Amino acid sequence: DTEVTQTPKHLVMGMTNKKSLKCEQHMGHRAMYWYKQKAKKPPELMFVYSYEKLSINESVPSRFSPECPNSSLLNLHLHALQPEDSALYLCASSQNRGYEQYFGPGTRLTVT
Amino acid sequence: DQQVKQNSPSLSVQEGRISILNCDYTNSMFDYFLWYKKYPAEGPTFLISISSIKDKNEDGRFTVFLNKSAKHLSLHIVPSQPGDSAVYFCAASDDSSASKIIFGSGTRLSIRP
Repeated sequence: DTEVTQTPKHLVMGMTNKKSLKCEQHMGHRAMYWYKQKAKKPPELMFVYSYEKLSINESVPSRFSPECPNSSLLNLHLHALQPEDSALYLCASSQNRGYEQYFGPGTRLTVT
Repeated sequence: DQQVKQNSPSLSVQEGRISILNCDYTNSMFDYFLWYKKYPAEGPTFLISISSIKDKNEDGRFTVFLNKSAKHLSLHIVPSQPGDSAVYFCAASDDSSASKIIFGSGTRLSIRP
């Protein structure tokens, strides 16, 4: 099983809403990542979890709050987002830090 | 400052011919390089990687070449097939920040009949 799953596929939320994005992998990978990708741009790293602990936060605004409940799950909690936060949010996992990262299909987020 | 550069935003190749995608980098500390393929509305898919101790890595129709002195790598796809039409991202990482991979801006490859 080399699959990373993400839910939901699409999300539309208002600026006052609270929502969560979910990511799951069952490959036994110990590193998990959140990326943000805008149209015609490369993915930008947001957070890295290694062995369920946050190891990298790329100066992401606090309206994005990651959580790693266990080694297979990664959540991204969203609150008070801005329209410019609309993007494709990608989750990835890797065997360990620095190994090839496997990406999920992404959640297309629109903030109205 | 772009540490990983893909200077060709798009490339069109005839089916059956060789596709060559190029990538340049500026950080001499990078020691691991990857190529990803991305279809619209999907996440990137890992294709092939190469360590800085090698100058070539081959996997089926895909071959990556690394020229460390020129800080240049390329991905060769031969023969090119219609399903290869996608955006290709070059990426790089270094041992000191092993969790971070820096992506290039991507090259859109179109395979024409």
